Amino acid sequence: AQKVTQAQTEISVVEKEDVTLDCVYETRDTTYYLFWYKQPPSGELVFLIRRNSFDEQNEISGRYSWNFQKSTSSFNFTITASQVVDSAVYFCALSEAEYSSASKIIFGSGTRLSIRP
Amino acid sequence: NAGVTQTPKFQVLKTGQSMTLQCAQDMNHEYMSWYRQDPGMGLRLIHYSVGAGITDQGEVPNGYNVSRSTTEDFPLRLLSAAPSQTSVYFCASSYGTSGTGELFFGEGSRLTVL
Repeated sequence: AQKVTQAQTEISVVEKEDVTLDCVYETRDTTYYLFWYKQPPSGELVFLIRRNSFDEQNEISGRYSWNFQKSTSSFNFTITASQVVDSAVYFCALSEAEYSSASKIIFGSGTRLSIRP
Repeated sequence: NAGVTQTPKFQVLKTGQSMTLQCAQDMNHEYMSWYRQDPGMGLRLIHYSVGAGITDQGEVPNGYNVSRSTTEDFPLRLLSAAPSQTSVYFCASSYGTSGTGELFFGEGSRLTVL
């Protein structure tokens, strides 16, 4: 069964520090999709990135970068030069796409990131 | 540009009462789903649907019913509310039917069962 583990429950760093949020996943499929979502204190859920299992290229978007490593089943998220506005709960999610025609999108338990001024 | 609309935003129920959380989307998305969010548990999938007339169970379906009579609407029913169902509920939709696309979420519905 598919599973997502975010072992870091809470992280607190000082502004401008770099921070990495870990995500480890389990799946039997060779075709799957990984996601990151952000939930700021206001409560809405915001999509950040989607990556399929055949694309292991790292991605960078401004201060955000993602490192996908199939060998370790990890899809880690790094924020460079963190800012107070980055304070949020971050969720990693997994969708399998091989053995079923309609996939469940399963989320990890989230990492609460606090950026101190 | 409404996106995914959930009603009500807040609800207090007594144990044993029934209610329906409404979810509507105007993006013509085939895939819709319901999650509940509890502290330390992340988002857990309750039920999902890949189109009108088709629904399936997620991780925590017990105590909840769903139906999908139209593409736009995906209501979540609690037949006999229990305190364990106190949570924040999110409805989400996605393009396609595979459930592999970006999820668009509603603003959430906070339910308290006394």
